[in-house]
Amino acid sequence: GQQLNQSPQSMFIQEGEDVSMNCTSSSIFNTWLWYKQDPGEGPVLLIALYKAGELTSNGRLTAQFGITRKDSFLNISASIPSDVGIYFCATMDSNYQLIWGAGTKLIIKP
Amino acid sequence: NAGVTQTPKFQVLKTGQSMTLQCAQDMNHEYMSWYRQDPGMGLRLIHYSVGAGITDQGEVPNGYNVSRSTTEDFPLRLLSAAPSQTSVYFCASSYSRGGKLFFGSGTQLSVL
Repeated sequence: GQQLNQSPQSMFIQEGEDVSMNCTSSSIFNTWLWYKQDPGEGPVLLIALYKAGELTSNGRLTAQFGITRKDSFLNISASIPSDVGIYFCATMDSNYQLIWGAGTKLIIKP
Repeated sequence: NAGVTQTPKFQVLKTGQSMTLQCAQDMNHEYMSWYRQDPGMGLRLIHYSVGAGITDQGEVPNGYNVSRSTTEDFPLRLLSAAPSQTSVYFCASSYSRGGKLFFGSGTQLSVL
């Protein structure tokens, strides 16, 4: 099936650092979604993107829908301890089913 | 509102046993789905339903059954558990297919 390549797989950062992660595909999509999963919980939608080139912010989070419609990135500014978790990108196929990346695990060094 | 409620939170089974994972939502969502999450593999769709009485297979349906007799409930049945079914299972719902998904907090299943 279709796959999304999400990188990096994991990140060790210091509190206060900025974070950047991305997601790429070999196919064109019309929707990009970013979810966060806290430990022991289900994923929660952070940002949804519906238009090529769209840049959307949600607090310290900013996500962009790539111009080629084959990629998206998520930035987190000035990371804090509650940012730890797994960040998933996802997109939607022609049947409105979600296709998921494998996730980026964010760990904050003490 | 409780949102999407999954039970149990943890379960250990022996190979060959059967069990049902429960999922209920109180948001009057038409669309409900089951995913499994394995390390390094993201989320994979098992089964989904677009309304009461309608179910369909996802990416990895083998070994699992579902039914949707009411809008609120969407149980997932394992008829004969296998070690390959050790995973974390998530139920999710949305107002409609393609809408914003709301997830339950998951069931961690181990099959020995």
